Amino acid sequence: SQTIHQWPATLVQPVGSPLSLECTVEGTSNPNLYWYRQAAGRGLQLLFYSVGIGQISSEVPQNLSASRPQDRQFILSSKKLLLSDSGFYLCAWSWDRVTEQYFGPGTRLTVT
Amino acid sequence: KNEVEQSPQNLTAQEGEFITINCSYSVGISALHWLQQHPGGGIVSLFMLSSGKKKHGRLIATINIQEKHSSLHITASHPRDSAVYICAVFTGNQFYFGTGTSLTVIP
Repeated sequence: SQTIHQWPATLVQPVGSPLSLECTVEGTSNPNLYWYRQAAGRGLQLLFYSVGIGQISSEVPQNLSASRPQDRQFILSSKKLLLSDSGFYLCAWSWDRVTEQYFGPGTRLTVT
Repeated sequence: KNEVEQSPQNLTAQEGEFITINCSYSVGISALHWLQQHPGGGIVSLFMLSSGKKKHGRLIATINIQEKHSSLHITASHPRDSAVYICAVFTGNQFYFGTGTSLTVIP
């Protein structure tokens, strides 16, 4: 069976500090991978998706970047965090873009 | 105007009631997803639809492509159904998300 891991579960970082959130998927190969953000009191926003190693598409311009160094690893990064980067970050995977997505447990990021 | 609109925004029901959550969208879609977000934040995919109707346990999801509308029904609601229900559509290129319906089921 497939499992998806995200860490850390919670993170408090000062403004201007770097960020690295990691997501890994087990039990599948060549998954589509997604990074979402949910700001407090707001809906889900798709940030990045990837259909393969090194293939990243960005949905919205922002202070964040994503990388996929290995087939089942998806990393969300920032060089300098902003207060507006606070939120709940979710990683998800799917077999392809028109099939169900399976979500990780999420990382709650607070930028102070 | 949002591409995906959900109603109601908030819903409180007594245990055992039949619940309907609606989703209307304004774009052409390849698929529509219903997601459930628990109070702790975790998200579970409930259904993915491109036509017709799907049923899983007490949950039923329907979609009318011509009317650009989908409904999520919960029969015999239970307090453990309390969560935020999110409608999302995929156009073939982009995902659009509703802001969610917060459901509270009272024992």
